[in-house]
Amino acid sequence: GIQVEQSPPDLILQEGANSTLRCNFSDSVNNLQWFHQNPWGQLINLFYIPSGTKQNGRLSATTVATERYSLLYISSSQTTDSGVYFCAVRDSGTYKYIFGTGTRLKVLA
Amino acid sequence: NAGVTQTPKFRVLKTGQSMTLLCAQDMNHEYMYWYRQDPGMGLRLIHYSVGEGTTAKGEVPDGYNVSRLKKQNFLLGLESAAPSQTSVYFCASSYSILAGGYNEQFFGPGTRLTVL
Repeated sequence: GIQVEQSPPDLILQEGANSTLRCNFSDSVNNLQWFHQNPWGQLINLFYIPSGTKQNGRLSATTVATERYSLLYISSSQTTDSGVYFCAVRDSGTYKYIFGTGTRLKVLA
Repeated sequence: NAGVTQTPKFRVLKTGQSMTLLCAQDMNHEYMYWYRQDPGMGLRLIHYSVGEGTTAKGEVPDGYNVSRLKKQNFLLGLESAAPSQTSVYFCASSYSILAGGYNEQFFGPGTRLTVL
């Protein structure tokens, strides 16, 4: 089945710093989402981005489906950005979503 | 709109007991999913449904059963709970025909299950 890898696994930033999180996938996909899991365990939708680039405030994401990767950019990070960031892809041959193992982000004040 | 809701939020079971987790969505979504998340890990798909009356196995289906008798509800059953099933269970839904086939997943708040 499709493999999803995220990097880096852990990231520590000072407040105000910028960061780039990466999601690589091993086969063609027809959906890709980025989620933020906050310290209370809630999964928050960030981007639905099968291809192209989207921006929402300090966050933006780019998916290059032909090269099988997606990037999540966080600018001017805040302590509330702390948590785990997951990408999830839907295998184009099925209805199944596969999650990456996540990037654990800690933003220090 | 409540979105996706899950009942209960917490549950403690003894080994061998049974229980049912309920997921409900009010977005008229066609697809529904059950995942489990173990500490420090990503989410793994247990079972899913692409329509009322249909279900299919995901990555880790053993020990679980599901039913989707109504479009808005998706039930996850544990017939004989085991300590290995201690986890946080998330339900999700997606795909609205009325919204032009938009396929973004939306998640419920999760159910924390402990099996002693």
